[in-house]
Amino acid sequence: AQRVTQPEKLLSVFKGAPVELKCNYSYSGSPELFWYVQYSRQRLQLLLRHISRESIKGFTADLNKGETSFHLKKPFAQEEDSAMYYCALSRGSTLGRLYFGRGTQLTVWP
Amino acid sequence: DAGVIQSPRHEVTEMGQEVTLRCKPISGHDYLFWYRQTMMRGLELLIYFNNNVPIDDSGMPEDRFSAKMPNASFSTLKIQPSEPRDSAVYFCASSRMNYEQYFGPGTRLTVT
Repeated sequence: AQRVTQPEKLLSVFKGAPVELKCNYSYSGSPELFWYVQYSRQRLQLLLRHISRESIKGFTADLNKGETSFHLKKPFAQEEDSAMYYCALSRGSTLGRLYFGRGTQLTVWP
Repeated sequence: DAGVIQSPRHEVTEMGQEVTLRCKPISGHDYLFWYRQTMMRGLELLIYFNNNVPIDDSGMPEDRFSAKMPNASFSTLKIQPSEPRDSAVYFCASSRMNYEQYFGPGTRLTVT
C-alpha cells in the first residue's frame, strides 16, 4: 500500500528564514511525487513535481529514494508563501490517482 | 479555458435535505476526481472517474453519498440525506494521463 506522511500540521517561520516542509512516503514501486499549494481562499494548484526538477517561486524538492522523502525547501521564506502545502504521490501507473498527505499549514511572519 | 468549474460555491442546507454538487471538468481531460477537505482529515479522495466510468469509490463515506458522470463534461456529487458532519469543502479536479490534476474552486457546504 502507499502512504504519504507530512509530520507537521503547522509550521511557522520568520520572513527571510529558511523553510523545509517534510514529506515521507511509503510505496514499493517507483512513485512520482508532487507538491500542491493552496493559498488562502484559492484553489489547490500544482507547485512542482519531482520529474520536472524545476524551481518554482524559489521552492525546490528532491526525491530521496533511500530515505523515501520529498521535502520541500526554500532558502528565504516570504510572507506570500503562507499557505497550505500538500505532498502527493502517484504510483506511476496510468490510473491517474494521487495520494495526498494531510497537509502542512505554513505561516511566514513579517 | 476557465478551468474546472464547480457550482454552487457555497451551500447552506438543513440536516436531512438533499444536496447536489456539480462539476465541469476541463475539456479533453479524461479523469475526474471528487475530494473532501476538512480541518480534521485534510484532503480525502471520495471517488474518481476515467472516461466517465467510476474507477474507485472506496472513499465514499456512506451510502448517503453518490456520484455520477453522465458525460465527459459534467459530474455530480449527491448527498441524501445530508448531516452536519458532511460540512466541508468539496473539490472537483480533472486531469489527463500525465497526472497533473487541476482543481476547481470548491464548494463550501454547511449542513445545520
